[in-house]
Amino acid sequence: NAGVTQTPKFQVLKTGQSMTLQCAQDMNHNSMYWYRQDPGMGLRLIYYSASEGTTDKGEVPNGYNVSRLNKREFSLRLESAAPSQTSVYFCASKVGGGQPQHFGDGTRLSIL
Amino acid sequence: KNEVEQSPQNLTAQEGEFITINCSYSVGISALHWLQQHPGGGIVSLFMLSSGKKKHGRLIATINIQEKHSSLHITASHPRDSAVYICAVNGNQFYFGTGTSLTVIP
Repeated sequence: NAGVTQTPKFQVLKTGQSMTLQCAQDMNHNSMYWYRQDPGMGLRLIYYSASEGTTDKGEVPNGYNVSRLNKREFSLRLESAAPSQTSVYFCASKVGGGQPQHFGDGTRLSIL
Repeated sequence: KNEVEQSPQNLTAQEGEFITINCSYSVGISALHWLQQHPGGGIVSLFMLSSGKKKHGRLIATINIQEKHSSLHITASHPRDSAVYICAVNGNQFYFGTGTSLTVIP
């Protein structure tokens, strides 16, 4: 019972490097989300995908891009990493409507 | 502006104590969620509420839609309850509180 799987769990990058965070869910959920969590702040929405084939910006989209590859997978890309993007990133999914989100274990990303 | 406010930010309790965490929100919602985040970071959903009260084991969640307020209660607290508890609401998007860090001391 995998649920929402994020890879990698930890990553250290240098400023200017690029990388893609992967997220996959096996619950046949329609909606998927990427959040970042920073000390003293609530989870903030970066991008979301309400359904396969659609993506929309959230509260803090600058510096990120996403791809909803298929119903299962939703990736987050940092094209040119900056120290301000050091954070813990969570992927989540839900069936739809007012249903609860299911979260991955997070990716701890440090940018030097 | 914070659409969701939680109090207290930090809470330390002795094992066995009754604990209350509060959440107030300022937007129209279809549902309110209580989440638990353990050290190590994983987040799990405890409750989803749109009205009234729900109970699961030693945890009780209530919501007052008119007052835009919810409470999470833990009865007979235990050290394994130590975690960050996050209130989130379904408005036109998800809004999250900053969390309440609970430490239960044996």
